[in-house]
Amino acid sequence: ETGVTQSPTHLIKTRGQQVTLRCSSQSGHNTVSWYQQALGQGPQFIFQYYREEENGRGNFPPRFSGLQFPNYSSELNVNALELDDSALYLCASSSGTSGRAGDTQYFGPGTRLTVL
Amino acid sequence: GDSVTQMEGPVTLSEEAFLTINCTYTATGYPSLFWYVQYPGEGLQLLLKATKADDKGSNKGFEATYRKETTSFHLEKGSVQVSDSAVYFCALSDHSNYQLIWGAGTKLIIKP
Repeated sequence: ETGVTQSPTHLIKTRGQQVTLRCSSQSGHNTVSWYQQALGQGPQFIFQYYREEENGRGNFPPRFSGLQFPNYSSELNVNALELDDSALYLCASSSGTSGRAGDTQYFGPGTRLTVL
Repeated sequence: GDSVTQMEGPVTLSEEAFLTINCTYTATGYPSLFWYVQYPGEGLQLLLKATKADDKGSNKGFEATYRKETTSFHLEKGSVQVSDSAVYFCALSDHSNYQLIWGAGTKLIIKP
């Protein structure tokens, strides 16, 4: 069974640029959540996708957007990058009905984004 | 809104010592509670979870009991090893919320 994978591992961008991060969910999982983890802090929820539709969103501006594909893989897009967007971006997948409280989320290794 | 509070780190212990990392939460409803671990340079791994009051989650010698009366989910291990050195995160999710809400993390350092 393949776990959650993310690409790229590291990325360096300059302020104002756009970035796309990719995530492949664990086999059999239909729900993908994205989190931003600043250095030394806990993750912050960005949004969740269930069966190709956005299922919920955290307190992030519209320049953070996403997609989920029919194979349940997902993309996170960030436009007009700001210095504060520098962080570890984590993707997590889970199975079953979207957003059930007891569902375990399985995390990928993350993409480290640096904005200069 | 819902929140999770963890004890601040770093926590430094000697090998074979007893570990407790405190976690308390605020939530409306009846959340599920989780402990995740993040080893250096790696992603988050589920350590254990509990989905209802008085449940005990356990894994790899770690335990945590869901205490509704004290809104707590403290992580314990009887004898820590150097390999347990990592950052530990407490998190919750509830039935009206699809996201995980996280504590700030507690860095654990185990010295041989």
